[in-house]
Amino acid sequence: DIQMTQSPSSLSASVGDRVTITCRASQSISSYLSWYLQRPGKAPKVLIYGASSVQGGVPSRFSGSGSGTDFTLTISSLQPEDFATYYCQQSYSTPWTFGQGTKVEIK
Amino acid sequence: QLQLQESGPGLVKPSETLSLTCTVSGGSISSSSYYWGWIRQPPGKGLEWIGSIYYSGNTYYSPSLKSRVTISVDTSKNQFSLKLSSVTAADTAVYYCARVWLQWFYFDYWGQGTLVTVSS
Repeated sequence: DIQMTQSPSSLSASVGDRVTITCRASQSISSYLSWYLQRPGKAPKVLIYGASSVQGGVPSRFSGSGSGTDFTLTISSLQPEDFATYYCQQSYSTPWTFGQGTKVEIK
Repeated sequence: QLQLQESGPGLVKPSETLSLTCTVSGGSISSSSYYWGWIRQPPGKGLEWIGSIYYSGNTYYSPSLKSRVTISVDTSKNQFSLKLSSVTAADTAVYYCARVWLQWFYFDYWGQGTLVTVSS
């Protein structure tokens, strides 16, 4: 199985901050990497697919980059509704696997 | 607007079989562009892919659950289903159904999720 490791596991930030979350795969996954946001009690929602393509309807402050084994999700200016947990997911090979999550909290 | 809705018992006894159905509305489960999948999330923990199915019946399962999982599809009802046998307390989780877009194999639409508790 391909292991996905996110860092940090949690972070504290303020509204307006630039936030970066990283995801590392245990082997190359090309660009088969997606990012999801999950608010408490809600289903995950896709933000980024194909490592850098923004899903329709997702605000432009979200962006993704990377290929191979190292990937980054960037929120250019954190908004109140962005305080949530973020997951990366590889779809290069089954079993599709998720990172352990990064919780973004209010400073 | 595509919608997915999970349904099934919220309480299952240990050693029994967990059964859930996902009803798809606002779109056809027989579309050639998508797989359909199940993902679970134990309370306070991360996400785990269980398996996925194509409208033709072709399936992929997580190796860690493969011996206990069956996913099936009913195109006439626009539904797909999950059966997980011999459940234990470790199977207690919120179970989500989702659509998988075949170009990049990511989950683009999700159901709201349903909590299944395994307890006697």
